[in-house]
Amino acid sequence: EAQVTQNPRYLITVTGKKLTVTCSQNMNHEYMSWYRQDPGLGLRQIYYSMNVEVTDKGDVPEGYKVSRKEKRNFPLILESPSPNQTSLYFCASSSYDRVSYEQYFGPGTRLTVT
Amino acid sequence: SQQGEEDPQALSIQEGENATMNCSYKTSINNLQWYRQNSGRGLVHLILIRSNEREKHSGRLRVTLDTSKKSSSLLITASRAADTASYFCATGRSGGSNYKLTFGKGTLLTVNP
Repeated sequence: EAQVTQNPRYLITVTGKKLTVTCSQNMNHEYMSWYRQDPGLGLRQIYYSMNVEVTDKGDVPEGYKVSRKEKRNFPLILESPSPNQTSLYFCASSSYDRVSYEQYFGPGTRLTVT
Repeated sequence: SQQGEEDPQALSIQEGENATMNCSYKTSINNLQWYRQNSGRGLVHLILIRSNEREKHSGRLRVTLDTSKKSSSLLITASRAADTASYFCATGRSGGSNYKLTFGKGTLLTVNP
């Protein structure tokens, strides 16, 4: 089954404790992206990756890191989480074939930083 | 910065009625997509319309795109209670080797049985 998986689905942590949210897709997609969703603000892009070892900042990259060492994985790293990073996070992937850019979304990770 | 802005923010209709949501954007785009999100869950792609297309249909969905006005509309005909969800437009732009998809804040559609 074609899917994007994220782990963990729920996470409660404390300020300053480094964490990683994993994202994996099994569709051989080149393009992967991280978004955060906050009430009243919609989805905002954090980082995206056009392919392996190619990443770029989205609209709200501060406080986040990403890496793309393998095509299927795109982890999101919070080196020193703060309460303003409490949010619902989505990973997404798509094929970059210049024909269709339909994005497939993961189920989301709800992060609470206290 | 937000590229797409949906209107209205919330819409409540009766089952069987049509629902229309609008999206406006600011800069040139390569395509515009509509997504649906059930409460707290991942987004699901509904339909994509390219910048050189004016109208597209998929089942009960009809999307129009007016690049001169930088706007799009999503029409859901004969709505059902199961259509209750948030709907987002997303504008796609290519620049060199990059591609960026920017989402709006969404329209919350409630279909009352």
